[in-house]
Amino acid sequence: NAGVTQTPKFQVLKTGQSMTLQCAQDMNHEYMSWYRQDPGMGLRLIHYSVGAGITDQGEVPNGYNVSRSTTEDFPLRLLSAAPSQTSVYFCASSLGTRLNTEAFFGQGTRLTVV
Amino acid sequence: GENVEQHPSTLSVQEGDSAVIKCTYSDSASNYFPWYKQELGKGPQLIIDIRSNVGEKKDQRIAVTLNKTAKHFSLHITETQPEDSAVYFCAIENTNAGKSTFGDGTTLTVKP
Repeated sequence: NAGVTQTPKFQVLKTGQSMTLQCAQDMNHEYMSWYRQDPGMGLRLIHYSVGAGITDQGEVPNGYNVSRSTTEDFPLRLLSAAPSQTSVYFCASSLGTRLNTEAFFGQGTRLTVV
Repeated sequence: GENVEQHPSTLSVQEGDSAVIKCTYSDSASNYFPWYKQELGKGPQLIIDIRSNVGEKKDQRIAVTLNKTAKHFSLHITETQPEDSAVYFCAIENTNAGKSTFGDGTTLTVKP
């Protein structure tokens, strides 16, 4: 099992550009989430999904879109990148059952918007 | 909404000493309380967790205690080693809602 795979690992964008951060998991997990991590602010939830076809907003959803057409993939789209979106982005997945909720994180994508 | 406060933000200890990190929360519906360790350049990794029906859980040198009445839980690391140096995050989750809220993290440095 590869676990949670994020691509790319690093990305530099110009203000106004759009791009998609990819996230895939091969553990048949129902729950998937996207977080951004900024210095001194922990992990803030952007969007999450409790299963294929279902997505919901987290704490900081503005400027980001997600979709969940399959159980395995949960891409995060930046529609028009802004310098405030410079951050490290983490995707996570979990089985989502009541007794097994451990979250597995990807290695992260470091995004710089100039 | 959910809120979790984590203290301290930085902690420096001598090798062999104990380290304690505390989190307080406001959402009484929270029923799952994990702790994650994040090493430099990596994603967070679960190290221990506790559920609302348990007061304490131990795994070798690490332990977590939960006080649901007071709405706080703590991570205890005994006999610290330099490889324990990392950023530690607490989180709260209502497993019915399917999402977690994280604390701001504690940077632990263990000096040899």
